[in-house]
Amino acid sequence: TQLLEQSPQFLSIQEGENLTVYCNSSSVFSSLQWYRQEPGEGPVLLVTVVTGGEVKKLKRLTFQFGDARKDSSLHITAAQPGDTGLYLCSRGNTDKLIFGTGTRLQVFP
Amino acid sequence: GAVVSQHPSRVICKSGTSVKIECRSLDFQATTMFWYRQFPKQSLMLMATSNEGSKATYEQGVEKDKFLINHASLTLSTLTVTSAHPEDSSFYICSARDSSGGLYNEQFFGPGTRLTVL
Repeated sequence: TQLLEQSPQFLSIQEGENLTVYCNSSSVFSSLQWYRQEPGEGPVLLVTVVTGGEVKKLKRLTFQFGDARKDSSLHITAAQPGDTGLYLCSRGNTDKLIFGTGTRLQVFP
Repeated sequence: GAVVSQHPSRVICKSGTSVKIECRSLDFQATTMFWYRQFPKQSLMLMATSNEGSKATYEQGVEKDKFLINHASLTLSTLTVTSAHPEDSSFYICSARDSSGGLYNEQFFGPGTRLTVL
């Protein structure tokens, strides 16, 4: 099962800083999802992007789908401790989701 | 809406015993459910696709006789870890796809089950 590559793997920042997480693959996606998972819980869907170049915003989170639909980014503005968690991208080309390697974000007060 | 529950949330068992984990879609019907395994500080790895009324489809490297999956109704799938050993200790997460919607293969996840085998 091919995983999507996410970078960075780990990120520790202070409250108020901005950050960007990347999700890359050599394959074209028909759609891509971003999830956030907190310790001991299941992932929660944040957004689905489907169109090349698409940008979606969810409060302080901005999601972008690459023009060629092979990559995506998640930008968080003015990070808060509540943003702490594991961020996962996934592709849904077929009936099953394939998840990225994950980015573990820690935001310190 | 789109709530998925798992039971139990935590289980500790002795080596050699079997453990059953339930996954339920509470407010929608799910023809297809999925079972994932997650090791500490790692991403989710798909174990199998559970199809209501038919046999599960297992990913390469997953032993079907070790991880028995039953999807007897549109709201319930179960995963039984048979003859569990310490290396089976992990976080098991299920997800479900709404049979009536979801254009983009969106799945809704349960809260997970922490299995510890002594």
